[in-house]
Order: sequence, then structure tokens, then C-alpha cells
Amino acid sequence: GIQVEQSPPDLILQEGANSTLRCNFSDSVNNLQWFHQNPWGQLINLFYIPSGTKQNGRLSATTVATERYSLLYISSSQTTDSGVYFCAVERGAGNNRKLIWGLGTSLAVNP
Amino acid sequence: ETGVTQTPRHLVMGMTNKKSLKCEQHLGHNAMYWYKQSAKKPLELMFVYSLEERVENNSVPSRFSPECPNSSHLFLHLHTLQPEDSALYLCASSQDSRGPGNTIYFGEGSWLTVV
Repeated sequence: GIQVEQSPPDLILQEGANSTLRCNFSDSVNNLQWFHQNPWGQLINLFYIPSGTKQNGRLSATTVATERYSLLYISSSQTTDSGVYFCAVERGAGNNRKLIWGLGTSLAVNP
Repeated sequence: ETGVTQTPRHLVMGMTNKKSLKCEQHLGHNAMYWYKQSAKKPLELMFVYSLEERVENNSVPSRFSPECPNSSHLFLHLHTLQPEDSALYLCASSQDSRGPGNTIYFGEGSWLTVV
């Protein structure tokens, strides 16, 4: 089956720093989503990005579907950015649509 | 606040107990999901319901029993669980389980510990 690999697995930043998280996938996909899970377990959808670039405040994401990767940029990081960032790719159609998840990048932003 | 509410947030149960997890969505969505999240593993999809009909069951042991009485409510009934079932159980909903452009919204999760 398709492999979804995220890097780095762990990241520690000082508040105000910028960072780039990467998601590689081994086969073509219908779509790709980025999620943030806070330390209390809440998962929030950040971007729905099959291709191209999207921006939302200090976060932006770029997916290059032909090269099978996506990048999540965090600028001017804040302590509230801490948590785990997941990439999930969508495959299949109809009742066979599935989300395949990476293992995540665990981010700690220190004050 | 994502519009998906899970209760309880934390649950400790013995291996012989019977308990239930509850999920409610206020988004008018037609599809609801149960996921299991264990340490160092990808999220595992357990069950999918579309318009109250179960459309997917990913080889989940029978000690987990889902129930979807209507499109806004989803339960996960638990009995005779094992310690390895300890995990974060996440409920989610989306407009449709089959259409494209399907953003998924998660609840805050129920932390389950089996002792």
C-alpha cells in the first residue's frame, strides 16, 4: 500500500523561529490534508491541499503532486503551535475512499 | 470548538467492564467515523457510518461495537477489552464519506485506559 512519511519526527524550536515540515507519499493521491493535534488530543484540519500553495496566517502549505510531496511552513512560531502535525493522503473513490496517515511531526515551541 | 463533541474525555475501565463512548456532531454532516490513535502508530480507521448505515468496518474485534442511531450521534460500546486497547479514541464527521473535497472534523477524543 501507499506509504506516507513525515519528517522530521521531532522538532524543537525557540519562539519566533521558522520551520518546514515535510510529507512524502509513495503513490498518486486524490488529495492531501494537514492536521494539527494539540497536547490535549484535539485534531484540527489546517489545509486541504491537493496541489499548489495555500496560506492561512503564519501557516502555509505547498503540495507538488507530480513529485509526491507536501511542505508545511510555520513562520514566527508561537508556543501555541506546539503539538503534532499530521499529513494524511486520500486514495480511492466512492466507498473505497480512504485517508492514509503519516506518523506525524511532534513540535515543541519553547518560550 | 469543531462542532464534534465526545464524552467522556477520560475513561478507566477494567477488562470485565462494559462502557460506551459517545459522539455528537452539530455540523449537519452525513458521515461519522471512529478512529483509534495509539502511540507511535498512524491513526487507524475503525468504523465509518454514512447516513446511519455502516459502510466500513476495518476488521475491528467484536469487543468494539458501534451504534449510529441517527446522523448526529455515534456510540462505541466497549466490553471485555484488553490492556492493548488503551488508546485515544477519536470521533470525526464529514459532509459525506464518499464525495470529493471532504474536510473531516474531529472531536477532542476519549482517552481510554484498560486495567
